[in-house]
Amino acid sequence: SQQGEEDPQALSIQEGENATMNCSYKTSINNLQWYRQNSGRGLVHLILIRSNEREKHSGRLRVTLDTSKKSSSLLITASRAADTASYFCATAPMNRDDKIIFGKGTRLHILP
Amino acid sequence: GAGVSQTPSNKVTEKGKYVELRCDPISGHTALYWYRQSLGQGPEFLIYFQGTGAADDSGLPNDRFFAVRPEGSVSTLKIQRTERGDSAVYLCASSFLQSSYNEQFFGPGTRLTVL
Repeated sequence: SQQGEEDPQALSIQEGENATMNCSYKTSINNLQWYRQNSGRGLVHLILIRSNEREKHSGRLRVTLDTSKKSSSLLITASRAADTASYFCATAPMNRDDKIIFGKGTRLHILP
Repeated sequence: GAGVSQTPSNKVTEKGKYVELRCDPISGHTALYWYRQSLGQGPEFLIYFQGTGAADDSGLPNDRFFAVRPEGSVSTLKIQRTERGDSAVYLCASSFLQSSYNEQFFGPGTRLTVL
């Protein structure tokens, strides 16, 4: 089963623009994580935000979390060609701290 | 250091055959996870190990799927009587501990094709 649902499913933007992806989930969580998957390569962990945090930054990444709306957003600023990838949110359910559940992902394409 | 490795990278088999997929986690990582990823979907949890024991196998689709980790390091995912619907990329990940707060490190996956 998949708890998180990313929106949009696919996104194309010009290099240098900002990219925003959203994730909605159904049940209460301990934390929410974002992963990136390049074509033909494995998943890479980007950032984790705890349920008691509202915003977190890492380099060009900014993640927000709204537990009242059960949603999160990932913002990538000043996009680069290398940011072309699929991005997945993964949630750790409140009653299960030992595993994470992935959404279906957003496919991001950066146009040169 | 070395990351998570998976072998083979590709496996083509015929319907009804038995296959084994291997995962070598990062040295010292006690938790090991198996996921299955179909085209256009996110990784779907199958099973995870804490040490040698399967802590949660609730994601295994049926009894044709089985996984072991006898020495608490390398793990093998075994699929009996393969079906075309088993075709997917099988991902392995490891983390230092089984807590979701510990980052999972993923291998490149094994692409399984059942003809």
